Amino acid sequence: GAVVSQHPSRVICKSGTSVKIECRSLDFQATTMFWYRQFPKQSLMLMATSNEGSKATYEQGVEKDKFLINHASLTLSTLTVTSAHPEDSSFYICSASKGQGDGYTFGSGTRLTVV
Amino acid sequence: DAKTTQPTSMDCAEGRAANLPCNHSTISGNEYVYWYRQIHSQGPQYIIHGLKNNETNEMASLIITEDRKSSTLILPHATLRDTAVYYCIVRVAGGFQKLVFGTGTRLLVSP
Repeated sequence: GAVVSQHPSRVICKSGTSVKIECRSLDFQATTMFWYRQFPKQSLMLMATSNEGSKATYEQGVEKDKFLINHASLTLSTLTVTSAHPEDSSFYICSASKGQGDGYTFGSGTRLTVV
Repeated sequence: DAKTTQPTSMDCAEGRAANLPCNHSTISGNEYVYWYRQIHSQGPQYIIHGLKNNETNEMASLIITEDRKSSTLILPHATLRDTAVYYCIVRVAGGFQKLVFGTGTRLLVSP
């Protein structure tokens, strides 16, 4: 159990356009999900905490108007990168927990390339 | 959450035990030690976690010192597929507290 699906796995978009990434918990309900960004050869950086039915909580330095997070249901959170630029090219990863002590499950990640 | 310190990289021969250390000298009494790993271009994978007793599962063993200021993740018989970045994280268990990743240890398992 505890499977998290992330889609798409890879996307290329033009500069100035918006891209939506989906994160789904397939076999459990996730009231809270997390979004990370990872640049090459670096660790994961937490961007925001996504809460079902309420506004996301963003980490310091993350632009909430640029990285829109919607947690519309107990199994789906979306991250929209608005007006993407080449510097937004990165590996985006979501995670979710059942709320128990056995750790978090991560999606397989989305490789975003902005050209 | 308490900060952790890990070596940047380690090497291990295939079939041998890989022992990955982690220092967490400022850990609080209610914080657990979690281990995750990330294989190249994939999402992190949960390995194991513990509070103060040693833990073992099908993937690894976790040894926590009595003062809880450090721990060691043991992969008993490393394979090439264990090549990954291993992250040691300390946090309060349960609930929905966020996971903050450090720099981790890059483990290279060689034939």
